[in-house]
Amino acid sequence: GESVGLHLPTLSVQEGDNSIINCAYSNSASDYFIWYKQESGKGPQFIIDIRSNMDKRQGQRVTVLLNKTVKHLSLQIAATQPGDSAVYFCAETGGTSYGKLTFGQGTILTVHP
Amino acid sequence: NAGVMQNPRHLVRRRGQEARLRCSPMKGHSHVYWYRQLPEEGLKFMVYLQKENIIDESGMPKERFSAEFPKEGPSILRIQQVVRGDSAAYFCASSARTGTGQNTEAFFGQGTRLTVV
Repeated sequence: GESVGLHLPTLSVQEGDNSIINCAYSNSASDYFIWYKQESGKGPQFIIDIRSNMDKRQGQRVTVLLNKTVKHLSLQIAATQPGDSAVYFCAETGGTSYGKLTFGQGTILTVHP
Repeated sequence: NAGVMQNPRHLVRRRGQEARLRCSPMKGHSHVYWYRQLPEEGLKFMVYLQKENIIDESGMPKERFSAEFPKEGPSILRIQQVVRGDSAAYFCASSARTGTGQNTEAFFGQGTRLTVV
């Protein structure tokens, strides 16, 4: 099987539970943050973004929270479904004026029916 | 409106051969980014290109790797004299604009999985 994920944090939840995935960043100049979902064998898929002038943003079933004081980002998924099973990455632009992204290490989310 | 198209999806090369990875950005997008994903790691930035220009290649290895985005045609990531350590998934992303305003979101392709044997 795939070796990817052996060293990634994992989160296992039951279908219908809420999931919280955390991410720490180090660059205090970062002003734009994005959460991506990556399913096996596919490219990263945009979920939700947030700019540094905000501390919370909501989408459909997802909420991103940003704490600039401690350089922490979290993704909350409500009523998690089996189709949400994937690797989740946070990414930030490091203050660059263009789309150069620095990705976090990723978290494997497994949703059990 | 097709998304970011990468080909081939899978590429097998023997050590010492050349690998050419192609990326066609989304229609209307003139900004292309290449990332590499090694097993057990997140994506790492390699290079950022606009049409006919390399803007930021700070993530590219100093030797054997090159990238281009010609006026016509797809962006190409070229790896010469491949070694086993080059085995990875290579992703391309494109955006319509840069910055953090509207239409700056980067859309990713499905990747090319390079295996060096």
